[in-house]
Amino acid sequence: DAGVIQSPRHEVTEMGQEVTLRCKPISGHNSLFWYRQTMMRGLELLIYFNNNVPIDDSGMPEDRFSAKMPNASFSTLKIQPSEPRDSAVYFCASSSRDRANYGYTFGSGTRLTVV
Amino acid sequence: QKEVEQNSGPLSVPEGAIASLNCTYSDRGSQSFFWYRQYSGKSPELIMSIYSNGDKEDGRFTAQLNKASQYVSLLIRDSQPSDSATYLCAVNTPSAYYGGSQGNLIFGKGTKLSVKP
Repeated sequence: DAGVIQSPRHEVTEMGQEVTLRCKPISGHNSLFWYRQTMMRGLELLIYFNNNVPIDDSGMPEDRFSAKMPNASFSTLKIQPSEPRDSAVYFCASSSRDRANYGYTFGSGTRLTVV
Repeated sequence: QKEVEQNSGPLSVPEGAIASLNCTYSDRGSQSFFWYRQYSGKSPELIMSIYSNGDKEDGRFTAQLNKASQYVSLLIRDSQPSDSATYLCAVNTPSAYYGGSQGNLIFGKGTKLSVKP
């Protein structure tokens, strides 16, 4: 199993540009989570999907952020327009139905720098 | 606001000693608890899970849970320099959407552990 795959690994963009982060969950996992990690705030849950349906997006900071999961093997997190305060590491994680017992598996993350 | 609190550290221990990492949580309904290890520049990696009060041992790692005190800890015996990392406590909080049986992981900010040779 290749694990959770995220792309790109690093992204440097100028303020105001659109940024799209991509995630492929582990095959068979039915839940997908997008987290953001900063030194100040730690790991914050942005949004999660269950069976491709967004369940809770209350962690999305503002309307500039959007996420989609068009099928069970792909999800995107888009920031438009990007701002310097969006600079962080963005992790995607996936989990099986019984995540209360088995936790999550994280991807390698995307380090986003907005200049 | 559901919270998970950890001492940020750094916690410094000599090689071969026991490292003790602590975590408290606010939601009494929390049902499962996890410890993740995160090396610098890497993603969190699950190392321990615990669901019942008491101790759970796995090799050099022991997780301890006290639901009455809302307290979780991780002991690392015979600490090695390779254990130097940030340890994240994560608590699964029930979700009404799933009738309380599933939920989301809320993470603490982590404790940085440094094991000195």
